[in-house]
Amino acid sequence: GAVVSQHPSRVICKSGTSVKIECRSLDFQATTMFWYRQFPKQSLMLMATSNEGSKATYEQGVEKDKFLINHASLTLSTLTVTSAHPEDSSFYICSARTVWRGNSDTQYFGPGTRLTVL
Amino acid sequence: AQSVTQLGSHVSVSEGALVLLRCNYSSSVPPYLFWYVQYPNQGLQLLLKYTSAATLVKGINGFEAEFKKSETSFHLTKPSAHMSDAAEYFCAVSDQRGGGYNKLIFGAGTRLAVHP
Repeated sequence: GAVVSQHPSRVICKSGTSVKIECRSLDFQATTMFWYRQFPKQSLMLMATSNEGSKATYEQGVEKDKFLINHASLTLSTLTVTSAHPEDSSFYICSARTVWRGNSDTQYFGPGTRLTVL
Repeated sequence: AQSVTQLGSHVSVSEGALVLLRCNYSSSVPPYLFWYVQYPNQGLQLLLKYTSAATLVKGINGFEAEFKKSETSFHLTKPSAHMSDAAEYFCAVSDQRGGGYNKLIFGAGTRLAVHP
């Protein structure tokens, strides 16, 4: 159980275009989802936290108008990178947490999405 | 503020040897502590977690970690390394205050290499 999927797994786009990444909890309802960014050979940096039905909370230094997050249902959150530029190229990972499972303090991670902006 | 320090960005061991990955934390409140493993181009998989119960925590794949409050440490060990253990390992801390969400603060990671 506790499976989180991401789609797409890999995306290449042209500079200036927008890219949407989906994060789904497949076998549980996620009241909270997190979006992380990971640069090569570095750790995960939290970008934002989203609770179902409310606005996302962004970490300091993360542009909310550039990284749009929508958590429309208990099983789906989306991250849209708007007007992408080469410096946005990175590995984006989502995670999901729920208070309805025994392990409410555990985040379950998706497999990640590799974004390359040309 | 909470933080995590992983000593050693790279650790190399022989197959069958002891694995020891070090993690020290800083937290003003009782912490939750986690170890995650990441294989190339994949997300993170939870190995084990400490949530204020037993201080010796056993996880998957033969890994275990011991919470030592006096040393503010949560080192990860495995008695005998296997080639398949080669991966990136992340230690993370979260606070127990709960509320709307629990943020995870990650260490920089330790890359484990296992050679024959």
